[in-house]
Amino acid sequence: AQSVTQLDSQVPVFEEAPVELRCNYSSSVSVYLFWYVQYPNQGLQLLLKYLSGSTLVESINGFEAEFNKSQTSFHLRKPSVHISDTAEYFCAVSDTSRKGYNKLIFGAGTRLAVHP
Amino acid sequence: ETGVTQTPRHLVMGMTNKKSLKCEQHLGHNAMYWYKQSAKKPLELMFVYNFKEQTENNSVPSRFSPECPNSSHLFLHLHTLQPEDSALYLCASSTHRDYSSYNEQFFGPGTRLTVL
Repeated sequence: AQSVTQLDSQVPVFEEAPVELRCNYSSSVSVYLFWYVQYPNQGLQLLLKYLSGSTLVESINGFEAEFNKSQTSFHLRKPSVHISDTAEYFCAVSDTSRKGYNKLIFGAGTRLAVHP
Repeated sequence: ETGVTQTPRHLVMGMTNKKSLKCEQHLGHNAMYWYKQSAKKPLELMFVYNFKEQTENNSVPSRFSPECPNSSHLFLHLHTLQPEDSALYLCASSTHRDYSSYNEQFFGPGTRLTVL
């Protein structure tokens, strides 16, 4: 069975500092990998995804994540955070063999708190 | 309305009440999902409907009863719930064009349910 572990439940950081949110997964098959963001009182929004190709993927607001198959990791990074990045971040995997609709397995989430 | 909408946004109910959660998607999708988000736990997939047919029931107790009358609407009927059912219930939708590509899930804002 697939599972996702987010190693930090909370990450406090000062504005303009770099941040890394860690995600490890376990799966016996090839997977798709995702990071979702949830702002207060809102649903989940897809931040970025790895489906195939380049192992480094980027979002439009400066986040990036790197797929590391040997370490089964998909850590999320941003070189300089803003107050507006304060949110909960979820890592998720989807079995590539289940095509058509995608069954997402989520981690427990990491709350990123950016302080001025 | 655009995207995925959910009503009500907040619901408080007693254990003997019967209530329903509603989800509507305005994206032309044909797969719809119910997720449960409990505090400090990963999101749990509850049900999946594809072209109005239930394709996944993730061992959900029978006090939760889903209904999908058409591809745009999804309901979750609730009866005799327990306090531990208090959570944020998220609806999502996606396309289901073919079995060769990933189809992104779009989430609604959720219904915050409190069972007294």
